[in-house]
Amino acid sequence: EDKVVQSPLSLVVHEGDTVTLNCSYEVTNFRSLLWYKQEKKAPTFLFMLTSSGIEKKSGRLSSILDKKELSSILNITATQTGDSAIYLCAVDNQGGKLIFGQGTELSVKP
Amino acid sequence: NAGVTQTPKFRVLKTGQSMTLLCAQDMNHEYMYWYRQDPGMGLRLIHYSVGEGTTAKGEVPDGYNVSRLKKQNFLLGLESAAPSQTSVYFCASSYDRENYGYTFGSGTRLTVV
Repeated sequence: EDKVVQSPLSLVVHEGDTVTLNCSYEVTNFRSLLWYKQEKKAPTFLFMLTSSGIEKKSGRLSSILDKKELSSILNITATQTGDSAIYLCAVDNQGGKLIFGQGTELSVKP
Repeated sequence: NAGVTQTPKFRVLKTGQSMTLLCAQDMNHEYMYWYRQDPGMGLRLIHYSVGEGTTAKGEVPDGYNVSRLKKQNFLLGLESAAPSQTSVYFCASSYDRENYGYTFGSGTRLTVV
């Protein structure tokens, strides 16, 4: 059974800290891995990763995929209170749908 | 451009009652999905559709039915609601199988008492 596991499940940091969120997967037909940010309502798209070792970057957020280790990390530098959210990792297993992990709830304290 | 619209946003049901959640998208997307989100469990796929007139089961389909009579609408039905179906329900759509950046609706919070 295809599976996506995120760690940690929750994290509390202070503004200015750097955080690393982890996502590991076991899927039979990997196509891509996606990261989403979910604040109060609907998840919003952050990154899609298909190739190993190529970093995607957007401002203070960056992500990289390691196909050998079947994992990805999402880094957030100089965290701000506005980064507080649930971060979701999902994998496209070529079945026409995404499989989501449990999510990491990040809380950034002032 | 409204994107993906879900109705209703909130609902309280009594055990055994039925209801239908509506998802409507105006982006001409082929693929549509219904997920439920429970604390600590991420998003779990209930049913999905790869085009008008088609539906398929996801990870947790029991107790739910769906229909996609029109391309822009995807309905999720609960025939006899149970407390275990208390959850936040999200609809999503995508243009094709590449799954690049699903567009999500804002969610429906359902409580079954």
